[in-house]
Formats: sequence, C-alpha cells, structure tokens
Amino acid sequence: NAGVTQTPKFQVLKTGQSMTLQCAQDMNHNSMYWYRQDPGMGLRLIYYSASEGTTDKGEVPNGYNVSRLNKREFSLRLESAAPSQTSVYFCAGDRDADTQYFGPGTRLTVL
Amino acid sequence: SQQGEEDPQALSIQEGENATMNCSYKTSINNLQWYRQNSGRGLVHLILIRSNEREKHSGRLRVTLDTSKKSSSLLITASRAADTASYFCATDDMYSGAGSYQLTFGKGTKLSVIP
Repeated sequence: NAGVTQTPKFQVLKTGQSMTLQCAQDMNHNSMYWYRQDPGMGLRLIYYSASEGTTDKGEVPNGYNVSRLNKREFSLRLESAAPSQTSVYFCAGDRDADTQYFGPGTRLTVL
Repeated sequence: SQQGEEDPQALSIQEGENATMNCSYKTSINNLQWYRQNSGRGLVHLILIRSNEREKHSGRLRVTLDTSKKSSSLLITASRAADTASYFCATDDMYSGAGSYQLTFGKGTKLSVIP
C-alpha cells in the first residue's frame, strides 16, 4: 500500500500561471481533504470531499477548485496563481471519519 | 478559524525527560486528536480521545481531556531524540449528515529533545 500520495513534491510558478496538484489514495478512504500549511500556522482546510461525487468548501477556498475524479483521486487546481498561495499543500483521507491519513505534501512557491 | 491553541509554542527538553503539551479549544467537540509532524513531512495521527473519555494511553503517550475547561494535554514520557517534531491538536467539526469530519488544527508545539 502506498497510502496517500501527492504529486508533484515541489513546484515553482509565476504569478498568473495555473497548475493542478494531484492526490491519490489506495486506502479505500471515503472522504478526502486538501489543506494548506503556512509558517507558524496549523493546517487550514481548503476543500473537502465527503464522498465520491461531492465537494465542499473549507475555511480558505478562494482561488482554488477541486475535482473528486473517482474514489481514489482528489485534485486541487490553482487557476491563476498568486504569491499569497505560496504554501505547503497536504492531501488527506479518512475511511471512518475518525483518523485522517496525510500525504507527504507539495511545496509550492509562487513568484 | 483556529479552534485549538497549543501551549507552549516551543519546548526543549533533555532525552529521558517527560514532555507535556496543552491544547485549548473554544466550542463543544465530539473528539480531539493529536498529530505529529516531522520536519518537511506530512502529519501522522497519534491518538484520538472522545468527548466522553477523560484519559487515554498509547505506548509512551498519555492524553487527557477536560471538556469543562475545554482543554487537553499530551504527555510523552521518557522522551527520545526521535520524538523531536511539531505536535498539533485537532478538533472535529462534524459535517452534518455526511459522516465526514472537518478537523480544525491548532498552530502546534515544536518539541526539541536534546540527546
């Protein structure tokens, strides 16, 4: 089992560029989540998907879109990147709504 | 908005000593969880305590929950250098009707265990 995987690990973008962060899990998770982590801060929820076919906004959704492609995959898209979106992005999933399992993160820098 | 707030922000101890971290939160919860994050890595779940529980143990970890004070503590006994990491508390925010938890994380306590 790979668990929760994220690609890419690192990315540098210029302001205005777009990109998609990929997340996949092989743990049969029903729910999946995207967080961002900024220095000195805890994780803040961007979007989540309670089940395949559904997505909902979290605390900081502005500037992002998501797609729950199937049960395994949940992608995060930045349509027009801004320097304020420089952060480390974590994907997570849970099966039983108790414990979340996190991916290794994507470190994104927007110049 | 941040629900949990850890205290202290940073803690430095000698190997073999005990480390205690505290978490305070604002609203009623169903459960509280503690996660560890090693530098540059994702978070790893340590322990979950439900609102009707007062204390829970897992190996060298002991978690207490006081719902009347809206606070929790994480005790790591006989610390090791490998315990060096940031520790976060997370409280649930039940998504109504869907069974999906929205966890709200605190800012974390950075623990350094000196060999």
